[in-house]
Amino acid sequence: GEQVEQLPSSLIVQEGASVLINCSYTDSASVYFPWYKQEPGKRLQFIIDIRSNMERKQTQRLTLLFDKKTKHLSLHITATQPGDSAIYFCSATSNNRIFFGDGTQLVVKP
Amino acid sequence: DPKIIQKPKYLVAVTGSEKILICEQYLGHNAMYWYRQSAKKPLEFMFSYSYQKLMDNQTASSRFQPQSSKKNHLDLQITALKPDDSATYFCASSHQGRDTQYFGPGTRLLVL
Repeated sequence: GEQVEQLPSSLIVQEGASVLINCSYTDSASVYFPWYKQEPGKRLQFIIDIRSNMERKQTQRLTLLFDKKTKHLSLHITATQPGDSAIYFCSATSNNRIFFGDGTQLVVKP
Repeated sequence: DPKIIQKPKYLVAVTGSEKILICEQYLGHNAMYWYRQSAKKPLEFMFSYSYQKLMDNQTASSRFQPQSSKKNHLDLQITALKPDDSATYFCASSHQGRDTQYFGPGTRLLVL
């Protein structure tokens, strides 16, 4: 089955810095890649997605890049704020089943 | 987001007992899902339902049984509880054919 790997597992940055979270998947049948953010004790919150027929998507401070050939995604967050502190999950979706990475814990220090 | 409701928020159970986790969504979605999150596996797909029918089951144990009494409900019955079942159980929903899934707040289960 699909396997999703995320790196790094944790990041600590100062407010205002940019961060990059990398994600790779194995199943070429996966066509949809939503990302979620989870604050401590809270639900997963959808933040951005991309489909396999796209290479780039941007919303506000988030830029998501997708390389179908290498089966690799990267999420770039600019101008980080303490409110961005959370665990970020990459996922790959096929047939309505989501496979999640292990998450990247981001801590943004004021 | 109150449009996906999970009850209860916290649940403490004794080994061997049975519990039902409730999930209701008011997003008009026709597909619903259960996931489990624990220290051992950050997020693990369990079941998917579409139009109240089981579509996918990735849970090996028959002790976990989803129940859909209405199209916007997908409860999870867990029997013969074990300490290893301790986890946070998340319900999610989506439009069938549109892949973005939206998650409920979770039920945190502790089995003693």
